Amino acid sequence: DSGVTQTPKHLITATGQRVTLRCSPRSGDLSVYWYQQSLDQGLQFLIQYYNGEERAKGNILERFSAQQFPDLHSELNLSSLELGDSALYFCASSVTGLSTDTQYFGPGTRLTVL
Amino acid sequence: DAKTTQPPSMDCAEGRAANLPCNHSTISGNEYVYWYRQIHSQGPQYIIHGLKNNETNEMASLIITEDRKSSTLILPHATLRDTAVYYCIVRVAQTGANNLFFGTGTRLTVIP
Repeated sequence: DSGVTQTPKHLITATGQRVTLRCSPRSGDLSVYWYQQSLDQGLQFLIQYYNGEERAKGNILERFSAQQFPDLHSELNLSSLELGDSALYFCASSVTGLSTDTQYFGPGTRLTVL
Repeated sequence: DAKTTQPPSMDCAEGRAANLPCNHSTISGNEYVYWYRQIHSQGPQYIIHGLKNNETNEMASLIITEDRKSSTLILPHATLRDTAVYYCIVRVAQTGANNLFFGTGTRLTVIP
């Protein structure tokens, strides 16, 4: 158990819909990261937050957005869902934003878009 | 960040040492070598990291060559639960973006 929690564990929805994935970082960690893992793309970085502020952006689509709240939990919002958005979405956290920080990953949310 | 090359797959007999190689010939002096693993669709798990000295923890040992162009992750007594995809990642120490780049990794299968 990494100490990072993600909800829900599974999510099934239809194309065109909007969903919100939630992540609670380990106690004391200020930085949160979101990754997407699809069958054909592997694990890809989406976005990083540090203490409520966006720190870095990766291959995140414009239909996707995220935020980190004052209590440091984070939400990833996916809208206008397409079949290709079906994937595992992982959240990770680390103490600070330094690249030598170890990132601890949550168990993931499996999103299925029908 | 420097690029890494890993074999796509390896087998290891249960109870034997698993030696997973990683090539990072373009690594810079301030870049660390990190290893993560992912056990079937679970979240990636941190294993170990190092800069230039060999490192050991309760999970594994990391051997980095003197020229730092390659490294080997050693699981001393592989068990069936070590079957996973192992990722070797090179990271520079910096503030700012801290995203990990996961390549294709090595799929390790531990055979009974």
